[in-house]
Amino acid sequence: AQTVTQSQPEMSVQEAETVTLSCTYDTSENNYYLFWYKQPPSRQMILVIRQEAYKQQNATENRFSVNFQKAAKSFSLKISDSQLGDTAMYFCAFTAQGGSEKLVFGKGTKLTVNP
Amino acid sequence: GAVVSQHPSRVICKSGTSVKIECRSLDFQATTMFWYRQFPKKSLMLMATSNEGSKATYEQGVEKDKFLINHASLTLSTLTVTSAHPEDSSFYICSARWGLRNEQFFGPGTRLTVL
Repeated sequence: AQTVTQSQPEMSVQEAETVTLSCTYDTSENNYYLFWYKQPPSRQMILVIRQEAYKQQNATENRFSVNFQKAAKSFSLKISDSQLGDTAMYFCAFTAQGGSEKLVFGKGTKLTVNP
Repeated sequence: GAVVSQHPSRVICKSGTSVKIECRSLDFQATTMFWYRQFPKKSLMLMATSNEGSKATYEQGVEKDKFLINHASLTLSTLTVTSAHPEDSSFYICSARWGLRNEQFFGPGTRLTVL
């Protein structure tokens, strides 16, 4: 069974600074996808970034980028130039290609951006 | 694109009554939708996978007779909480799978309070 671990329950960062959220996962699958979702106080889940396991290049979306280390089964999220609107819960998620299509979520990291 | 709506956003009901929550994919067809439950400050817990035209697949420990799921069309799935009790009070979120990368787009959630 796949598992996703987020070891940082809470983090804080100053506005305009950079912060990295950690995520590790365990799977025997070779083909899979990884995601970071953001859940702000409104509780709407928003996709931040995705990574296909077969791609060596790390995904980037504007201020968000990942450090995907397949051998180490690590998938960290870097937020650059943090903004107050980045304050939210961040969930790392895994899904195998094909199969049940289920998303396996980590427990989340609560990020607070301070002015 | 890939917008998912959920209705109602909030519902308060008396113990013993049934409550129906609708999940719609507004701009795409979703053969697979998912229902989650989220407790305060916790991660999402998958309840069931809803497939259009067939019976839902429930996760272990989820009572299928209590949480009735119907996926009547490619854009609509419903979750009915039957004979609701206070312990069913929670935040319920649906999602719809889109595209070939098992990506899920989430509805805004429904806060259920059972008195």
